[in-house]
Amino acid sequence: DAGITQSPRHKVTETGTPVTLRCHQTENHRYMYWYRQDPGHGLRLIHYSYGVKDTDKGEVSDGYSVSRSKTEDFLLTLESATSSQTSVYFCAIRPQGSDTQYFGPGTRLTVL
Amino acid sequence: DQQVKQNSPSLSVQEGRISILNCDYTNSMFDYFLWYKKYPAEGPTFLISISSIKDKNEDGRFTVFLNKSAKHLSLHIVPSQPGDSAVYFCAASWNTGNQFYFGTGTSLTVIP
Repeated sequence: DAGITQSPRHKVTETGTPVTLRCHQTENHRYMYWYRQDPGHGLRLIHYSYGVKDTDKGEVSDGYSVSRSKTEDFLLTLESATSSQTSVYFCAIRPQGSDTQYFGPGTRLTVL
Repeated sequence: DQQVKQNSPSLSVQEGRISILNCDYTNSMFDYFLWYKKYPAEGPTFLISISSIKDKNEDGRFTVFLNKSAKHLSLHIVPSQPGDSAVYFCAASWNTGNQFYFGTGTSLTVIP
């Protein structure tokens, strides 16, 4: 158990509304990641963070923003949700000195 | 373009037999490879990894083989058990390990 929680676990929203997903970790890991999982695509990196206020884009960052004001929280925001952002979102951490990522339980987001 | 590919979406194996899951990659810069196991409605769970300086890594019933010249890795599960039924993702990273690239997954069913 990597001490990662995600909230909410399920959300249904409408096109055009803002949505924020939260990832919380309890072990002060420096590196945190947001992925989305879609059929036929596996997991794709959206954004990642290598410290408080230090973030960078991943493979599919368009339409998403992130913030990390505290070590333990990494927020993913969809400024104006679209149906193409319907997906399962996973947060992950990577302990410093390790090459392995550990994942949270996921958030299922449906945009109608 | 998908840098990590799992060309078999599904695999069925009898309990007690060997399961072999395959993964191909295109980026020769990748130097670390991982396998994750995912049950429905849960986050991926780290299973086993291998560095590019090795060609084999073993952990109990799980063995990962790496063939760098062919840009191919495989996961062997021996003996297969019904609890192994899940989706398996391979992943690869390089350099700092901040960007991980995942395959599309193979759904393994172990038949009792």
